[in-house]
Amino acid sequence: QKEVEQNSGPLSVPEGAIASLNCTYSDRGSQSFFWYRQYSGKSPELIMFIYSNGDKEDGRFTAQLNKASQYVSLLIRDSQPSDSATYLCAVNISGGATNKLIFGTGTLLAVQP
Amino acid sequence: DTEVTQTPKHLVMGMTNKKSLKCEQHMGHRAMYWYKQKAKKPPELMFVYSYEKLSINESVPSRFSPECPNSSLLNLHLHALQPEDSALYLCASSQGRATVYEQYFGPGTRLTVT
Repeated sequence: QKEVEQNSGPLSVPEGAIASLNCTYSDRGSQSFFWYRQYSGKSPELIMFIYSNGDKEDGRFTAQLNKASQYVSLLIRDSQPSDSATYLCAVNISGGATNKLIFGTGTLLAVQP
Repeated sequence: DTEVTQTPKHLVMGMTNKKSLKCEQHMGHRAMYWYKQKAKKPPELMFVYSYEKLSINESVPSRFSPECPNSSLLNLHLHALQPEDSALYLCASSQGRATVYEQYFGPGTRLTVT
């Protein structure tokens, strides 16, 4: 069983719409959850992190965490063509002090003008 | 400032060459990482340094040799690589080794082994 799962997409949304990206994880002890954006040929860029159940908003981005369901999501409001990228969900694994991230395979988002 | 720098941006090397990748951060971070990323795949952790000591080696072949000369610098020495080692090599850093700290990536080195 994969530790972090994402739908590979592509997820296609029209400009101005809300894009909803989802991620599930298997380790119930995970405490820290991150969303990275990666443009083609570039390195991952941290856009959101969340540690507590509920919602966390930053500009057009909202991260949602439900630890009981082992589910984390990223909402992008007013999607723009420049948001077109692969979105990687990353989860810290528990059981050790060192910061080790497990990445999902990423969801490719395509925002249509 | 969350900048991590990496040099070179691109590297082409033969299977008998020895080369090094360099990574630098000036954020005062005490944990640094090397990742390998193949096309259309997520980053895969290779090594973790915490307070300049190697704390995780993800069973990486010995042809990859990491080095952390000080808290700001991280090197990856390459020797006798194989064509399948061609990938984007990413360096990252975080404030500390605890699981709550977010990791920031450098721009990467695109490595091609011929």
